[in-house]
Amino acid sequence: GESVGLHLPTLSVQEGDNSIINCAYSNSASDYFIWYKQESGKGPQFIIDIRSNMDKRQGQRVTVLLNKTVKHLSLQIAATQPGDSAVYFCAENAPSGSRLTFGEGTQLTVNP
Amino acid sequence: DTAVSQTPKYLVTQMGNDKSIKCEQNLGHDTMYWYKQDSKKFLKIMFSYNNKELIINETVPNRFSPKSPDKAHLNLHINSLELGDSAVYFCASRQDLWGVGGYTFGSGTRLTVV
Repeated sequence: GESVGLHLPTLSVQEGDNSIINCAYSNSASDYFIWYKQESGKGPQFIIDIRSNMDKRQGQRVTVLLNKTVKHLSLQIAATQPGDSAVYFCAENAPSGSRLTFGEGTQLTVNP
Repeated sequence: DTAVSQTPKYLVTQMGNDKSIKCEQNLGHDTMYWYKQDSKKFLKIMFSYNNKELIINETVPNRFSPKSPDKAHLNLHINSLELGDSAVYFCASRQDLWGVGGYTFGSGTRLTVV
């Protein structure tokens, strides 16, 4: 399953499928990007980050892709599990570095 | 050990009251933040402190006043609470202003103004 970013804030997938969550960021000068996961009733938790000198970074079951040309970030989750159900946020950091700016979240629901 | 702890977790109060939310981090970070999360889950920055110094003060009503007695604590006091203040407030910390690294968030304070 795949979200289309800002215009589709919900994504529903079957357990075991791969998920792709998209994010369009706003500042072409941003040089550092992070994906966060927020479970119900909890604060956002760091998943994976990427610097602007990279276009791909892999973690455990997650991959972040960065396309600076179109200011697009995506999070791929392999073999999605029910525990992956949460709201996912991308965040960007401009070189001035003093803050993270968060995108609109995407609600991921994994159906057993 | 909780890295960033906020109290209280839930706060229900009447319009016009004054309330405070406390935040403490034990990570040794220099920078702390307050974010407001609305009903659509959007996270908006309110304030940032670096080593007890106010760095960011977004367009927030002056009924909101942050206080940082030391770099491990950042409290948020809200005067004359309004219905529109109802939201989840998150405290977060970061190693410093300029380094690479994300935030560590607290678990949030759900404020309900009735």
